[in-house]
Amino acid sequence: QVQLVESGGGVVPPGGSLRLSCAGSGFTFSGHSMNWVRQAPGKGLECVAIISDDGNIAFYADSVKGRFTISRDNSKSSLFLQMTGLRAEDTAIYYCAKDPGGPYLPLYYFESWGQGTLVTVSS
Amino acid sequence: EIVMTQSPAFLSVSPGERATLSCRASQSVSSNLAWYQQKPGQAPRLLIYGASTRATGIPARFSGSGSGTEFTLTIDSLQSEDFAVYYCQQYNNWPPITFGPGTKVDIK
Repeated sequence: QVQLVESGGGVVPPGGSLRLSCAGSGFTFSGHSMNWVRQAPGKGLECVAIISDDGNIAFYADSVKGRFTISRDNSKSSLFLQMTGLRAEDTAIYYCAKDPGGPYLPLYYFESWGQGTLVTVSS
Repeated sequence: EIVMTQSPAFLSVSPGERATLSCRASQSVSSNLAWYQQKPGQAPRLLIYGASTRATGIPARFSGSGSGTEFTLTIDSLQSEDFAVYYCQQYNNWPPITFGPGTKVDIK
């Protein structure tokens, strides 16, 4: 079955950087767009980054544009989120989520989710 | 950006009763709407996509309806495991993909 396992979260000071990873298994990773969705403590859901199945196209929420970079390595079934210039408001659980659409046909909703990794931005 | 709103914010329901949750979009999203369930300490789970299609493994007591700007998630005969927060999400106009603020369903 589909498994998504995030890692890389932790405590980082304001202005710092962090790189999140997500390992996918149980499906053809290279055939699906992938996403990072975050949830601040006690708050709702925000999709912060989307990447196409071939990695050539990415979209970002305005709140992270210019600071976060999404990437993927299909040879290793892995998704990444490089976060720089971190702010207190970036404190959240970050989920990796799989798009159900096929190659070059993303659907932009989230069929499967990882368990999340917590990022805390604090001095 | 399409703004999603949900009502009510909190809903108290007795086990075995029906729960009706509403989601509204600030402009038409056609039928490009999904519903998710999230229990404490867990990741969200996809319930409904295309406004009314149940995801794999979702019980028939969950049903979705609506199109355009008004949507409803109905949970018939609530079970103990259904008490959770429910989010709607539009995927018609993007970026950005947007979620509603959620409805918390708790035990009456």
